[in-house]
Parts: sequence; structure tokens; C-alpha cells
Amino acid sequence: KAGVTQTPRYLIKTRGQQVTLSCSPISGHRSVSWYQQTPGQGLQFLFEYFSETQRNKGNFPGRFSGRQFSNSRSEMNVSTLELGDSALYLCASSPPASGRDTQYFGPGTRLTVL
Amino acid sequence: AQSVTQPDIHITVSEGASLELRCNYSYGATPYLFWYVQSPGQGLQLLLKYFSGDTLVQGIKGFEAEFKRSQSSFNLRKPSVHWSDAAEYFCAVALYNQGGKLIFGQGTELSVKP
Repeated sequence: KAGVTQTPRYLIKTRGQQVTLSCSPISGHRSVSWYQQTPGQGLQFLFEYFSETQRNKGNFPGRFSGRQFSNSRSEMNVSTLELGDSALYLCASSPPASGRDTQYFGPGTRLTVL
Repeated sequence: AQSVTQPDIHITVSEGASLELRCNYSYGATPYLFWYVQSPGQGLQLLLKYFSGDTLVQGIKGFEAEFKRSQSSFNLRKPSVHWSDAAEYFCAVALYNQGGKLIFGQGTELSVKP
């Protein structure tokens, strides 16, 4: 099976712009989670989508949003970019169900905000 | 507050030496426990996980971890480290009713001396 894919891998934006990142989960996986990784804050949970519905949400401002499509592909959007949004954004997919399911991570999208 | 602590930010060991990376969690109940590894520029790869049962779990690449309820710990061990083990290691927890949400420790960076 193909792994989790994320596009684009690298992105450079300027403050105030918005950005959309894409994640394609492993075939058959219905849950997609997003994480932000920065040197200062480490790995932080953004949100999780399951069957096109947001099931869990982390403590991020409303500028961060996401959605999931019927084929389980997911996108996350960040509006009005700030310098502090520079980070590695990781997507992970898992089979439907509980916390005992393994999350499989993609390689990430490196976002730089200038 | 729920949290995961990895007390060691950076560890250096000699190739062939044993390794132990520490992880402590703070939750009301026993969560699901995971160890992930991240090589530079890569996503996260699962090393092992614990849900219940035998408190000593075996993972990939010769790693094992021991769950100790009394100490709220889930330490990762390897009897003989290889140069290719140099990477960053993350301990994570998930709750049974928050399936897609992993809470990560701050990570431990492992360097291996020849």
C-alpha cells in the first residue's frame, strides 16, 4: 500500500497570505489528523477528521481550519499567515476507530512564512 | 493537566552501548502509549505501542519499551545502539475516546558516537 502523501512538500508564503495543504491517507483509512511541529512548541495536535466530520480539535486559533472529502483526502487551510506559523505540518492517517489505532505519518509540508 | 514528559532533550551514546529513553505521562487512566522516531527531514515512524497486557513490548529495529503503571512511565530501551539509530524520538499518548489525537512529549534527540 502507498503511504500517506502530503503536497506540497515545501512552501514559502508571506505574512497575511493564506495557504492550503493537502493530505492523502493510506487507502482504506478514514481518519486523518494534522499536527504542527516547531522547535519551540514541539508536536501539537491541530485537528482530526473522520468521515468528513471534525472529531477532535486542538488549541489553535480559528485561522487554522480543515476539511475532509468523501475519499478521505484532507486539506488544511491557514488564513492570514503569521511568522509564527512557520512549521512542519504533519498529516497522519489511521483506520477508523479508537486511540489504539496506529497513526501513520506523512513526510510533512515545510511552511516558511516571511 | 494531561501531559507527556521526556526529561532528556539530548542524549549521546557510543555505538554498541545500551540506550534508555525516558517517558512519563500524567493522565487519570492508563492511556494508549506509543514511541515514534523521526529522522531529519522525515515524518514519524512508529517503533512500538502499548495498549494492555504484557508490560514489556517489542518493536521494530530491536527496540523495546516497558510500561510501569506505578511510575506512570513508558521507557524505551535498546541493548546495542547502531549509528543509524541517531534520530529524534517521541513518546506519545492517546485516549480511548479521542482516537485521532496524539499528545507528544518534547522529544529526545539521540546522537551516536563511533
